[in-house]
Amino acid sequence: NAGVTQTPKFRILKIGQSMTLQCTQDMNHNYMYWYRQDPGMGLKLIYYSVGAGITDKGEVPNGYNVSRSTTEDFPLRLELAAPSQTSVYFCAARLAGTYEQYFGPGTRLTVT
Amino acid sequence: GQQLNQSPQSMFIQEGEDVSMNCTSSSIFNTWLWYKQDPGEGPVLLIALYKAGELTSNGRLTAQFGITRKDSFLNISASIPSDVGIYFCAGFNSGNTPLVFGKGTRLSVIA
Repeated sequence: NAGVTQTPKFRILKIGQSMTLQCTQDMNHNYMYWYRQDPGMGLKLIYYSVGAGITDKGEVPNGYNVSRSTTEDFPLRLELAAPSQTSVYFCAARLAGTYEQYFGPGTRLTVT
Repeated sequence: GQQLNQSPQSMFIQEGEDVSMNCTSSSIFNTWLWYKQDPGEGPVLLIALYKAGELTSNGRLTAQFGITRKDSFLNISASIPSDVGIYFCAGFNSGNTPLVFGKGTRLSVIA
């Protein structure tokens, strides 16, 4: 049981490039979340999903897009990377009716 | 949106010392959670609290759900080097609403 997996672990992007951060969970959890964590800071919610086909904006959605075509996958898309998007990105999953949120290991992204 | 104020922001302590940190909110939560993030990893749940006034322990960690439901406290006794990391509080109500996280307390333990 792998839990929440994220790929890649590290990535360097040039300004204006695009990329997709992958997140997969094998726990059949309904809810999935994307957070960013800037150096020395807390977690900021980017987008979340309560189930396949449903997504909602979090606190800092600008510059990002998500989709949830299956229960397992919740990719995060950056269309035009900017230096302000340099951060560590965490994906998380939670089962409906429970409170425990399981986090992936993170993707460290640098935009230069 | 809802915000949690977590303090202190950072702490440097000697190995063996006890640690206290707290989290306050302007609004009520039904569940309080404490997570720990090891360096280079994602946060992991330490303790969950469900009832106002509840005191729960997990090894050397003890957490309390404030009676006003607007605060929570985490204590670590006899700290050891592996306690180093960032401790996050989180508040949760129910249903689809996402957890609300504090900004974290960064703990450093000096051997």
